[in-house]
This record gives sequence, structure tokens and C-alpha cells, in this order.
Amino acid sequence: AQTVTQSQPEMSVQEAETVTLSCTYDTSESDYYLFWYKQPPSRQMILVIRQEAYKQQNATENRFSVNFQKAAKSFSLKISDSQLGDAAMYFCAFSMEYGNKLVFGAGTILRVKS
Amino acid sequence: EAQVTQNPRYLITVTGKKLTVTCSQNMNHEYMSWYRQDPGLGLRQIYYSMNVEVTDKGDVPEGYKVSRKEKRNFPLILESPSPNQTSLYFCASSLGTANSPLHFGNGTRLTVT
Repeated sequence: AQTVTQSQPEMSVQEAETVTLSCTYDTSESDYYLFWYKQPPSRQMILVIRQEAYKQQNATENRFSVNFQKAAKSFSLKISDSQLGDAAMYFCAFSMEYGNKLVFGAGTILRVKS
Repeated sequence: EAQVTQNPRYLITVTGKKLTVTCSQNMNHEYMSWYRQDPGLGLRQIYYSMNVEVTDKGDVPEGYKVSRKEKRNFPLILESPSPNQTSLYFCASSLGTANSPLHFGNGTRLTVT
């Protein structure tokens, strides 16, 4: 079974600074998808970024980028120029190619200081 | 507007009193699923459905039932709720293809006393 581990229960960052959230996963499969979801206090689940395992290039979405290390089974999220609106719970998630089930990590609470 | 609608948003009930949390999507999605979110555990899948009349267990199905009589609706049923089912519940749907994103509802906070 696949597992996802987020080892940082909480992180803090100063506004305008950069922060990196860690995620490792375990799978024996070679084709899969990785995601970062943001959950603000409104509880809404917002897809931040997605990475296909077959792509070597790291995904980027504006201020959000990932460092995908397939051999190490690592998938970290970097947030540049942090903003107050980035404060939220962030979940790392894994999905197999042939289905839509997501396996989630425990989450990392990100606090942004002004 | 394309969306997944869950109701109610908050629900407080007592042990043993049957309840249903409704989920509806207007995107003609094949795939629908339910997750529960608990502190320190993230979200875990309860049940999923690949199409009408096709449902299957996820990772934590005990104490829950689902049905998929219509494509747009996927209700979650707790026939005899217990306090360990106090949680935040999410319904999600997608086209069902490998790389189609999941669309989440806004969650239902359930408290069982």
C-alpha cells in the first residue's frame, strides 16, 4: 500500500520569504501522480500543484514549485514570496495512474508572519 | 457554476441516530468518493463509486454506507453513528480518468455525542 509522510506538523515563514514543505512517499509503482493541496480555515480543498511521475521537469505554478526526486521518493513544495493568504494546512497526496483515489499525508500547518 | 455540493455543513447528533450526508455534483462526473479528515491522519477514503450502481470500499469503510442510484448524487449514510465517527467529511468527484483532478465539496463537520 502507498503511504505519504509529512514530517513537519507546523512551519512558520516571514512574509515575502521562502519556505519549503517536505513530503516523502512510498510506492513500488513507477507511474503515479503527486499533488499538493491547500486547506485554508474555510476548509475548502484547493489544488496547488500537480506532478506526473513520468515527467522529469519539476512543476511550477506562479510562486509555487516542487522539487520532485523520484529515486528518493521525495516531493517538496517551495513557496516563494510568501503572502498572508498562504497561511493554511497543506496536504501532500499521491494517486495511482489508473484510479482517482488519493492517499494523503497528515498535513503541515503553515503560518505566515507579517 | 461547476461544483460539488455537500449538506449539511455542520451536524451534531447523538449516538445511534441514523443520519445521511448528501453530496451532489453538476459536472456529469463518473467518479465520486467520500473522505474523512482527522487530526494527524490527513484525509482517508471511506467509499468510492466509479459509476451508477457501482460502489466499493475505501480504506476506512466500517460504520458507513453509500449508494449511487443517480450519477449526480452520492450520499453517505451512518446508520448507527458512534463518537469515533466525529470527523470532517469531504465528498469529491472527477471525470474518472487517471489525471483528472478531484473536485472537493466544502466539507461537513460531524459531531457525534
